[in-house]
Amino acid sequence: DAGITQSPRHKVTETGTPVTLRCHQTENHRYMYWYRQDPGHGLRLIHYSYGVKDTDKGEVSDGYSVSRSKTEDFLLTLESATSSQTSVYFCAISGGTGVFTGELFFGEGSRLTVL
Amino acid sequence: AQSVTQLGSHVSVSEGALVLLRCNYSSSVPPYLFWYVQYPNQGLQLLLKYTSAATLVKGINGFEAEFKKSETSFHLTKPSAHMSDAAEYFCAVSEKGAQKLVFGQGTRLTINP
Repeated sequence: DAGITQSPRHKVTETGTPVTLRCHQTENHRYMYWYRQDPGHGLRLIHYSYGVKDTDKGEVSDGYSVSRSKTEDFLLTLESATSSQTSVYFCAISGGTGVFTGELFFGEGSRLTVL
Repeated sequence: AQSVTQLGSHVSVSEGALVLLRCNYSSSVPPYLFWYVQYPNQGLQLLLKYTSAATLVKGINGFEAEFKKSETSFHLTKPSAHMSDAAEYFCAVSEKGAQKLVFGQGTRLTINP
């Protein structure tokens, strides 16, 4: 299995509080992604990174920010959590150190509940 | 913009029966296409991928998919379903040169004994 660790795995928080989810990889892969999974919507891309300090928005980026200061860590921050951000969040990595191939390796997910 | 549509959010088949999960794509350029599987309480894992080589692609666990450009389809099949195939299946598309995948809504496969 690819070495991907998401933390925390479960979190309950209140509306308006900041939340940071962490994705840590030990594979030295170039690309890292944050997706959210919701019933009926499949997986939707929030943000992704193609290198240290290089990030781009996905299809549902509003209300989220990301940072990648090191190859191995990709942080997802909800500045002020809302109930609509209750979801399961998946981190994924890809590409080794080179070309994007489309083969993503996923973490086990972080379940976030915003009350 | 690239997208995929999975027809049927739930599919139920009997053990030993044919599995057919449907996926249609939209892309302005020749796409790369993928099927991923998600078992309960796990992340997704790659089943198979099409990257413009052979149009019939074989994957893990006896699954295969055929790329049909004329139908813009990439349906997933397995001749004989097994109980262990019960999971959620996602079709995904990536355009050549892109650095991300766009996923479909998912199809939950149930296997009846």
